Amino acid sequence: DTEVTQTPKHLVMGMTNKKSLKCEQHMGHRAMYWYKQKAKKPPELMFVYSYEKLSINESVPSRFSPECPNSSLLNLHLHALQPEDSALYLCASSHAKSALLPSGRDFNEQFFGPGTRLTVL
Amino acid sequence: AQSVTQPDIHITVSEGASLELRCNYSYGATPYLFWYVQSPGQGLQLLLKYFSGDTLVQGIKGFEAEFKRSQSSFNLRKPSVHWSDAAEYFCAVAPTGTASKLTFGTGTRLQVTL
Repeated sequence: DTEVTQTPKHLVMGMTNKKSLKCEQHMGHRAMYWYKQKAKKPPELMFVYSYEKLSINESVPSRFSPECPNSSLLNLHLHALQPEDSALYLCASSHAKSALLPSGRDFNEQFFGPGTRLTVL
Repeated sequence: AQSVTQPDIHITVSEGASLELRCNYSYGATPYLFWYVQSPGQGLQLLLKYFSGDTLVQGIKGFEAEFKRSQSSFNLRKPSVHWSDAAEYFCAVAPTGTASKLTFGTGTRLQVTL
């Protein structure tokens, strides 16, 4: 299974709502990522979890709250969002420990999910 | 800081024609280099990657890319484009040692005319 699944596919929420995005993978990956992608822009890294611990937070506002309850699941809790937070939210996963290659260098390919299209009204 | 430049925002080619998408990077050493494709409303799929060795890299769907250190470039090519190749293409870099922090270029939208 080389698939990263994300639910829901689409989400519309008001600025006072609380909602959550869910990401799941069964590839045995121990690193998981959240990206935000605005229309016609490249993905921007938000958070990285490694071995279920938050390892990178790219100065994301606190209205976005990530959670990694186990090695297969990654959630993004949303509260008091703004209309400018409307975007495609992408989840990705990869091996956490560097996969050593014969060249001596390492590489952790990220596998992406299809994303959740979020609209904040 | 590392950066990626994709100078072409939008490219239109005829089906069956050859394709080259440009990518230039700025980084102190040779980073890991990637090309991803994204169909409308979809996630990203890795086309190919370079981390060392042969500078001509073969990927999926008939794509290849050539790493040129002297030009800090990693251009994507395909000899004959199919209508299904229409999508957004992103070049990305990651620091040597880990691919955790991908930095993406601004993307090139490919349109294929029949």
